[in-house]
Amino acid sequence: NAGVTQTPKFRILKIGQSMTLQCTQDMNHNYMYWYRQDPGMGLKLIYYSVGAGITDKGEVPNGYNVSRSTTEDFPLRLELAAPSQTSVYFCASSYYVTGSYGYTFGSGTRLTVV
Amino acid sequence: KNEVEQSPQNLTAQEEEFITINCSYSVGISALHWLQQHPGGGIVSLFMLSSGKKKHGRLIATINIQEKHSSLHITASHPRDSAVYICAVETSGSRLTFGEGTQLTVNP
Repeated sequence: NAGVTQTPKFRILKIGQSMTLQCTQDMNHNYMYWYRQDPGMGLKLIYYSVGAGITDKGEVPNGYNVSRSTTEDFPLRLELAAPSQTSVYFCASSYYVTGSYGYTFGSGTRLTVV
Repeated sequence: KNEVEQSPQNLTAQEEEFITINCSYSVGISALHWLQQHPGGGIVSLFMLSSGKKKHGRLIATINIQEKHSSLHITASHPRDSAVYICAVETSGSRLTFGEGTQLTVNP
């Protein structure tokens, strides 16, 4: 049982380049999320999905896009990379259990835009 | 003011010390989560609680819903406990709002 798998672990992008951060979970969780973590700040929600075919914006969606064609996969797309997108990105999934949600996080992707 | 405030921001302790990290929040919640993040590593869920107290090994988490406050305690701390501890609350559906984290360093 691999949990939540993110790839790549590290990436350097040039300004204006595009890339996709991959996220896969094998726990059949309906809910999936993308967060970014900036130094000294709490994680911020970029996008989330409550099931295949359904996505919605979080707190900081500008400059990103997502899709959820299957329960397992939730890729995050950066179309025109900017230095402000330098951050550590975490994918997570969750399941509902008696009144709240149990979370599993991926190991993170450290992205630098130069 | 952040919806989730943690204190202290940084904490240095000696091995075997009893450690407390605090979390206060200003919004209504359905549950509170404590997470652990090791340097360069991913984030691991430690506790999810909506009332009372939970214990797992040397870790204890408590929550007081009326006072909007939670604490994470570590008994007999060890250098391997060194990590960032993050408090997060469920406010709207399944989404989490995070505190800024507490950097804990335990020296041998």
